[in-house]
Amino acid sequence: SQQGEEDPQALSIQEGENATMNCSYKTSINNLQWYRQNSGRGLVHLILIRSNEREKHSGRLRVTLDTSKKSSSLLITASRAADTASYFCATDAVEYGNKLVFGAGTILRVKS
Amino acid sequence: EPEVTQTPSHQVTQMGQEVILRCVPISNHLYFYWYRQILGQKVEFLVSFYNNEISEKSEIFDDQFSVERPDGSNFTLKIRSTKLEDSAMYFCASSRRGYNEQFFGPGTRLTVL
Repeated sequence: SQQGEEDPQALSIQEGENATMNCSYKTSINNLQWYRQNSGRGLVHLILIRSNEREKHSGRLRVTLDTSKKSSSLLITASRAADTASYFCATDAVEYGNKLVFGAGTILRVKS
Repeated sequence: EPEVTQTPSHQVTQMGQEVILRCVPISNHLYFYWYRQILGQKVEFLVSFYNNEISEKSEIFDDQFSVERPDGSNFTLKIRSTKLEDSAMYFCASSRRGYNEQFFGPGTRLTVL
């Protein structure tokens, strides 16, 4: 089954605005992680939220997890042009080991 | 801050040739992984490695692939006879424990001609 499907596929906002990206998954998970990828570059780890957590903050990032709806959201507040990137959620679960299963990602463009 | 490193950053090879992609995981990490991302597609898991053996592998990781930890720092992915469809970005990752944050390297872009 597919895990970690993000929406929207693409998001374009003005600098200073907030950006919200969503991720849905289908099976029970241990953890959900968010990554950023600048065009053609590596994956930068942003935040990990465990299945028993509901919300986590890191700087301008806020992640929520709703295990009843099997969904997560990533909020970037006061966006900057440097936030322009692709954002991926990735899940791991006991049933499929500690490998990460990635979604297709949201392409965020922040216009200055 | 410690980070995962990978070499080379780009590799161009002819179909049928062998390639070795190299990674240096974060030093106190115990779990190592390879993933790949074909252009425009999702990041896909290939293999995980713990305690000097493969702990899990995907369907993609067939007999043409192998991994090795030849010394205390390097972690390698070998593709024995490359195919055109092996062209992708290959990422190495490591984590301190299982079911924990996985930190990725910058990737090796492999182009098979």
